[in-house]
Amino acid sequence: DIQMTQSPSSLPASLGDRVTITCRASQDIGNYLRWFQQKPGKSPRLMIYGATNLAAGVPSRFSGSRSGSDYSLTINSLESEDMAIYYCLQHNEYPYTFGAGTKLELK
Amino acid sequence: EVQILETGGGLVKPGGSLRLSCATSGFNFNDYFMNWVRQAPGKGLEWVAQIRNKNYNYATYYAESLEGRVTISRDDSKSSVYLQVSSLRAEDTAIYYCTRSFAYWGQGTLVTVSS
Repeated sequence: DIQMTQSPSSLPASLGDRVTITCRASQDIGNYLRWFQQKPGKSPRLMIYGATNLAAGVPSRFSGSRSGSDYSLTINSLESEDMAIYYCLQHNEYPYTFGAGTKLELK
Repeated sequence: EVQILETGGGLVKPGGSLRLSCATSGFNFNDYFMNWVRQAPGKGLEWVAQIRNKNYNYATYYAESLEGRVTISRDDSKSSVYLQVSSLRAEDTAIYYCTRSFAYWGQGTLVTVSS
């Protein structure tokens, strides 16, 4: 199975900060990588697809990038509504696998 | 508007079975692969199963942790997808989400396995 190693697990940050969350894939997944945001008691929300493409309705302060087997989600100018848990998902190969999640919280 | 609604969750005893349903509307169901994803209380997301559409012969794929105990199916005439889970264990306790290509998600249905 493809392992998605997500870091950090917890990320304290201040409003206005620029933050980056990373997932490293244990095998080649191409650009079959998605990022999700999940708030307490809510269903996941797709933020980024194809590693770098912003999903509909997602603010432009979110962006996705890839460097080799490392995939990153960056949030510029953090807002209070961005506090949530973020997950990556590889859907290149079965079984699909999620990262363990990153809890973004106010410092 | 895309709508996804899961039903069928509840309290079940260990060793029991459950059939979850996912009713959809607002899009051409026949065109899409459908997935189930689950989330144990306080834990992360876990992909459970996928069923492809008719063009791909309704091929199915499963998480290894559940293979042999879970069956995904669909009824295109009802725009619905189903998840049958058997031999339930305490560790199957989770919210089970239905999702269309991971872009649209239902609100989830809670399955609790306990005696």
